[in-house]
Amino acid sequence: GAGVSQSPSNKVTEKGKDVELRCDPISGHTALYWYRQSLGQGLEFLIYFQGNSAPDKSGLPSDRFSAERTGGSVSTLTIQRTQQEDSAVYLCASSLRTPIDNEQFFGPGTRLTVL
Amino acid sequence: SQQGEEDPQALSIQEGENATMNCSYKTSINNLQWYRQNSGRGLVHLILIRSNEREKHSGRLRVTLDTSKKSSSLLITASRAADTASYFCATVGGDYKLSFGAGTTVTVRA
Repeated sequence: GAGVSQSPSNKVTEKGKDVELRCDPISGHTALYWYRQSLGQGLEFLIYFQGNSAPDKSGLPSDRFSAERTGGSVSTLTIQRTQQEDSAVYLCASSLRTPIDNEQFFGPGTRLTVL
Repeated sequence: SQQGEEDPQALSIQEGENATMNCSYKTSINNLQWYRQNSGRGLVHLILIRSNEREKHSGRLRVTLDTSKKSSSLLITASRAADTASYFCATVGGDYKLSFGAGTTVTVRA
């Protein structure tokens, strides 16, 4: 079937506005992850879902960041009152279960630019 | 914080040559994975090596793992222009998290 999809592919917003980023994982994948990649950097873990639950939110940089997952499928990452330092590529990945012995399949990412 | 650190940060080679990059990590792992990223988007999983494995091959890729030195290497043989990309190692410990390094940028010159 299809891979992980993300929307929008690009988002330009003004400082202070809220944004929502969407991730559609591969059907049947119970685990879903959000990462952030700043220019020229490696990936920074944000949050992990197992089903609809997020057992680990420790990677979220501030309380302006939140995420939810519904129906064990689609996930939305919301950034409130965006700041310029939020500019990055936000990547979503899913795996059949946890990445122990399972590869993560990544979406193409959403490039967020905060002006 | 990043667990893995890749070395070198950048690598430029001629088409047909081999490319070798290394990854070092700090804590014990369950497995180590290598990913490729083209044009800053879309990571693609290349290979997974478990902590009890020492070497693994996949096509033109060869990965080694030395848990005593906490290091891994990725060798790409007979490189092609299409191999131009950033390569990341990622470690998995006792939980679900992939901890990525900052990556090695490989440029293959025609």
